[in-house]
Amino acid sequence: DAKTTQPPSMDCAEGRAANLPCNHSTISGNEYVYWYRQIHSQGPQYIIHGLKNNETNEMASLIITEDRKSSTLILPHATLRDTAVYYCIVSHNAGNMLTFGGGTRLMVKP
Amino acid sequence: DSGVTQTPKHLITATGQRVTLRCSPRSGDLSVYWYQQSLDQGLQFLIQYYNGEERAKGNILERFSAQQFPDLHSELNLSSLELGDSALYFCASSPGTVLTDTQYFGPGTRLTVL
Repeated sequence: DAKTTQPPSMDCAEGRAANLPCNHSTISGNEYVYWYRQIHSQGPQYIIHGLKNNETNEMASLIITEDRKSSTLILPHATLRDTAVYYCIVSHNAGNMLTFGGGTRLMVKP
Repeated sequence: DSGVTQTPKHLITATGQRVTLRCSPRSGDLSVYWYQQSLDQGLQFLIQYYNGEERAKGNILERFSAQQFPDLHSELNLSSLELGDSALYFCASSPGTVLTDTQYFGPGTRLTVL
């Protein structure tokens, strides 16, 4: 599975958009980008995933660059409850496991 | 609430002992995954079962074993416990075996080995 690089921490003002970057320059053509988050020692929570096209759901948007070497998770209106560690994971769909890296610790401030 | 339940929530035991962690997957999910989260190693995949059969193994120690029962609940057995086994243990479930099937995580069992 491709390796990912994320900034260790980011701050965001409440109500503003949070843009979390992820670099995955070695991604292969059939690997997906998955985002999960973990709120303070709770079980990780699925956010979104994508292959090539940008994706949006009720939680977030995922923007994948045309060359697929990087992506950005966008939380459109961050709230205090969005404070969490966000994990970007790249893997084949047929992979059996989620390989979590260090993630980005997002702190949403009032 | 993800629909995945884990018991117990907390477990305190001594080195050398054996413990069993239990996981009930979401209704209808056939896959169960076990993950370990420690301070120094982060979140690591241990093992996956699908419909009663072992499907994939990660960094699971030989002292650890798991099984999935006909009713699809799963147990993770940890034996000859060491201080370094202190961690949060998460169970996740998903409908199938592909990663585009969302994994739903339980609240975890916090194991403390003294």
